[in-house]
Amino acid sequence: EVQLVESGGGLVKPGGSLRLSCAASGFTFTNAWMTWVRQAPGKGLEWVGRIKSKTDGGTTDYAAPVKGRFTISRDDSKNTLYLQMNSLKTEDTAVYYCTAVSYWGQGTLVTVSS
Amino acid sequence: QAVVTQEPSLTVSPGGTVTLTCGSSTGAVTSGHSPSWFQQKPGQAPRTLIYGTSNTQSWTPARFSGSLLGGKAALTLSGAQPEDEAEYYCLLSHSGARVFGGGTKLTVL
Repeated sequence: EVQLVESGGGLVKPGGSLRLSCAASGFTFTNAWMTWVRQAPGKGLEWVGRIKSKTDGGTTDYAAPVKGRFTISRDDSKNTLYLQMNSLKTEDTAVYYCTAVSYWGQGTLVTVSS
Repeated sequence: QAVVTQEPSLTVSPGGTVTLTCGSSTGAVTSGHSPSWFQQKPGQAPRTLIYGTSNTQSWTPARFSGSLLGGKAALTLSGAQPEDEAEYYCLLSHSGARVFGGGTKLTVL
């Protein structure tokens, strides 16, 4: 059974940092392209970014609103995906989902507020 | 960044057929945009219905199908059921990045 479990969300002040994790199981993580998607309260889905598998280069792509502030990485030895979020803004408040091979986690809430 | 457009809302009668569309500000949507469709019900995480224009998942009800139609990606629901009432999002690939549409709220009434 495929499972994606996000963690690390919480309340952070504007300008602060937070690192989200996504623990994956039930599929071959090393071969998977992993993606972060977010959803602000009452709003639609927003693609945040993606990291390819190492065999496909391990490169990352980001949405314009987060480029330069967010960094996606992966630890294939731990089957874990990360999202390092720096210089957080109030508009980054959202539920953050990790997705892979058409599966979605349940999300973790990040609230940026003073 | 490209803008992806969807109908804000649609209504379908139980047993009826409805087509949701997904357009791109950059021009016609092609298979190269690798359209995907997602369903989200209130309080739940999204789930993937369609990927790569028309490929379904094992859990995708047979009444859902994906295609390209008139320069847009399309999701057709044939034989709507009350449980299909949900928000539907499309996702298009644009030069490495991906962009979601704003979503279509589908009412079955």
